[in-house]
Amino acid sequence: GQNIDQPTEMTATEGAIVQINCTYQTSGFNGLFWYQQHAGEAPTFLSYNVLDGLEEKGRFSSFLSRSKGYSYLLLKELQMKDSASYLCAVRTHQAGTALIFGKGTTLSVSS
Amino acid sequence: KAGVTQTPRYLIKTRGQQVTLSCSPISGHRSVSWYQQTPGQGLQFLFEYFSETQRNKGNFPGRFSGRQFSNSRSEMNVSTLELGDSALYLCASSLDVGLGNTIYFGEGSWLTVV
Repeated sequence: GQNIDQPTEMTATEGAIVQINCTYQTSGFNGLFWYQQHAGEAPTFLSYNVLDGLEEKGRFSSFLSRSKGYSYLLLKELQMKDSASYLCAVRTHQAGTALIFGKGTTLSVSS
Repeated sequence: KAGVTQTPRYLIKTRGQQVTLSCSPISGHRSVSWYQQTPGQGLQFLFEYFSETQRNKGNFPGRFSGRQFSNSRSEMNVSTLELGDSALYLCASSLDVGLGNTIYFGEGSWLTVV
């Protein structure tokens, strides 16, 4: 079956760096997405990785290792507004265009 | 440009009733998909539509159905509502069905079944 694991909760301090890990066990991997979701709001797209390596986008970076079934989202210079749920989602050949989501990681940033 | 728009935002239904949720994708987007989000199960894929055809379906019972219109707007229907159907229903749109296309979510419809 498909399995995607993320830590349930993380805490960090304003200005710090935090890494949110995501491990997946799927067959026919075909891409990994990260979304941010503030309470009561729509998930917003952060990044997409389909090849191994690091994708950097401003304060946010995402890394993928397909051989290890592993990804992380790196958030630098944390701000209070980064307090949100971070969702890792995988596409597989079998599932087509559907996204298979992990349960999400709730990040709390304190001052 | 306007994002994905979902209506209604909040609704309360009684067990056994049915409900219809509506979604207007981003202008120009032709693919619409639906997800159910609950605290216990997280986000789960319901189905996807492209050019008025259902292209993909998740593991939900037949009580969950949907359709897409020629203007790409979509509706989903849940019949014979159960308490466990209480959830946030999210609609998402993308330009096309290509695997690299970014998927954009609406703010969702909060359904409470009592």
